[in-house]
Amino acid sequence: QLQLQESGPGLVKPSETLSLTCTVSGGSIGSSNYYWGWIRQPPGKGLEWIGSIFYSGTTYYNPSLKSRVTISVDTSKNQFSLKLSSVTAADTAVYYCARSPCGGSCYRGDHWGQGTLVTVSS
Amino acid sequence: QSVLTQPPSVSAAPGQKVTISCSGNSSNIGNNYVSWYQQLPGTAPKLFIYDNNKRPSGIPDRFSGSKSGTSATLGITGLQTGDEADYYCGTWDSSLSAGVFGGGTKLTVL
Repeated sequence: QLQLQESGPGLVKPSETLSLTCTVSGGSIGSSNYYWGWIRQPPGKGLEWIGSIFYSGTTYYNPSLKSRVTISVDTSKNQFSLKLSSVTAADTAVYYCARSPCGGSCYRGDHWGQGTLVTVSS
Repeated sequence: QSVLTQPPSVSAAPGQKVTISCSGNSSNIGNNYVSWYQQLPGTAPKLFIYDNNKRPSGIPDRFSGSKSGTSATLGITGLQTGDEADYYCGTWDSSLSAGVFGGGTKLTVL
């Protein structure tokens, strides 16, 4: 059964770079036609789509975050990662990784990680 | 402010039916598939409806989805207390080349 697990620091200082990794088990990132992405949810608020990546490296980003976001994939480790630069308190959120069976013209998260809370504070 | 518009809350009694609306435009709902997610408190969202009206394996047929023009609707019949959750609609936005979500609707089963 497919499982996704987020990992990374739970506390990041303002102006620094937030870095998270999603480890996929029960399936191979590099041998399937899926997109792998990140979604976040500030405390008490709704979902915000951050971006997604295909195993070949094709990426799509939320335009409002595009200048600060990089999503990459490491097929040898069956992982994909998120980097968000120049963070502020507004980036405090639960960050989820998720799989989508499509991308570029559609999106649906059919498998999600449990989420990890990242707090931006000095 | 979310790209897709949902009512903040809906409520109904156990056993009754409720609908949750999701409004967008021609760049998103109007020309792309809609999905719906259930989020129980403290847990990750779970896909409940995809491609406008399809249910993943294991989702009860009490849950249904529909789309008309630039709006979509999630319907839940035979409400149970366990259905109390936040529900989100989502789709692709062709103008943004990005996924988008609604602001979420809190369902209360009275």
